Amino acid sequence: DGGITQSPKYLFRKEGQNVTLSCEQNLNHDAMYWYRQDPGQGLRLIYYSQIVNDFQKGDIAEGYSVSREKKESFPLTVTSAQKNPTAFYLCASSMGVRAGARTEAFFGQGTRLTVV
Amino acid sequence: AQKVTQAQTEISVVEKEDVTLDCVYETRDTTYYLFWYKQPPSGELVFLIRRNSFDEQNEISGRYSWNFQKSTSSFNFTITASQVVDSAVYFCALETLNDYKLSFGAGTTVTVRA
Repeated sequence: DGGITQSPKYLFRKEGQNVTLSCEQNLNHDAMYWYRQDPGQGLRLIYYSQIVNDFQKGDIAEGYSVSREKKESFPLTVTSAQKNPTAFYLCASSMGVRAGARTEAFFGQGTRLTVV
Repeated sequence: AQKVTQAQTEISVVEKEDVTLDCVYETRDTTYYLFWYKQPPSGELVFLIRRNSFDEQNEISGRYSWNFQKSTSSFNFTITASQVVDSAVYFCALETLNDYKLSFGAGTTVTVRA
């Protein structure tokens, strides 16, 4: 079945460590996104990419990094510079600008990151 | 900049009651898209509906209905005859033609009690 796969579902990180969250899609979508969700704050955009080898910062990019070497993959690295990384992270994809109109985004099941 | 406001933090109803979720948005763009998503306890957001700024026709789909009013910048969502399975967090979102990212409201938690 087509969809978005995020792994792992739960992740624990020690202070000072970098961790990478995986996001893979087989929907042939051009655009991919990373959102962070904290209680009571909705979803905030970290990074997004409209095409391979190109990506842009979202509203809260500090302390995060991404890459887009393949259309299907958009991994997110949470670096030690991120002061409060404990949150629920959601990856999404959509058809992107080629679609003209803005189509709906499809979301993965999320990764819950906890700093221990 | 775009902004989406969902003033209702939590709504609790008894099964079979109707539930209306409010959404107010701000944008200077004339072409934009509005969305509603549902987030059940499993965590994955599920797409419910999309409307563009040129389509103010309201719609009913099963137990769901939407009321889009450009004059008041509102895009409200109603669940008729609610069921326990409707319990979830509901998000309103906005994306403009000149931008490539969804702006989400803070979400409304709906609890339907049997």
